[in-house]
Amino acid sequence: AAGVIQSPRHLIKEKRETATLKCYPIPRHDTVYWYQQGPGQDPQFLISFYEKMQSDKGSIPDRFSAQQFSDYHSELNMSSLELGDSALYFCASTSEGVAFFGQGTRLTVV
Amino acid sequence: GNSVTQMEGPVTLSEEAFLTINCTYTATGYPSLFWYVQYPGEGLQLLLKATKADDKGSNKGFEATYRKETTSFHLEKGSVQVSDSAVYFCALGQISNFGNEKLTFGTGTRLTIIP
Repeated sequence: AAGVIQSPRHLIKEKRETATLKCYPIPRHDTVYWYQQGPGQDPQFLISFYEKMQSDKGSIPDRFSAQQFSDYHSELNMSSLELGDSALYFCASTSEGVAFFGQGTRLTVV
Repeated sequence: GNSVTQMEGPVTLSEEAFLTINCTYTATGYPSLFWYVQYPGEGLQLLLKATKADDKGSNKGFEATYRKETTSFHLEKGSVQVSDSAVYFCALGQISNFGNEKLTFGTGTRLTIIP
């Protein structure tokens, strides 16, 4: 069965650069979530989209923005990267209340 | 707001030992409760869930019962295996104003099983 696909799997950026993370949810799932997981930390909710509209916002910095496109894939744009942005970024899509996670994008800011 | 408090790790057990990972929650209304597992280098996977009080979720020998009176959802397994070594996250889900479900995670408990 198709799963949630995230790309890239690994990304290395320098401080003050920009990064774009992509998420392709499971077909026919209507909600996409983005989470940030720092080293040894629990996943922190960033933002979610329901039927291509932003539905909820968590602890997402103003330097970050996200959107969901007509094909339901979502992109997380991160600008002016800081060392503290280094983390694993997960995308999840939901069906009947259960979240299915992608394998994540590991972002390293140097 | 919603919150999940989870037993701190790391937890190290011998193979075939009995496992309990405690989880309590704070929420308004009637959330759904989940246990997710994260194996090394992978994303989170749903392990089990319960959607209402007294429901028992079970999968792969793991069990957890939704206890509304104690606001708990403790994870148990009678005999753990080396392959159970992973990080376990307790989570609650609640319907947002938009009608979709938002998950709140606990801090995770790293479990290591020694042969």
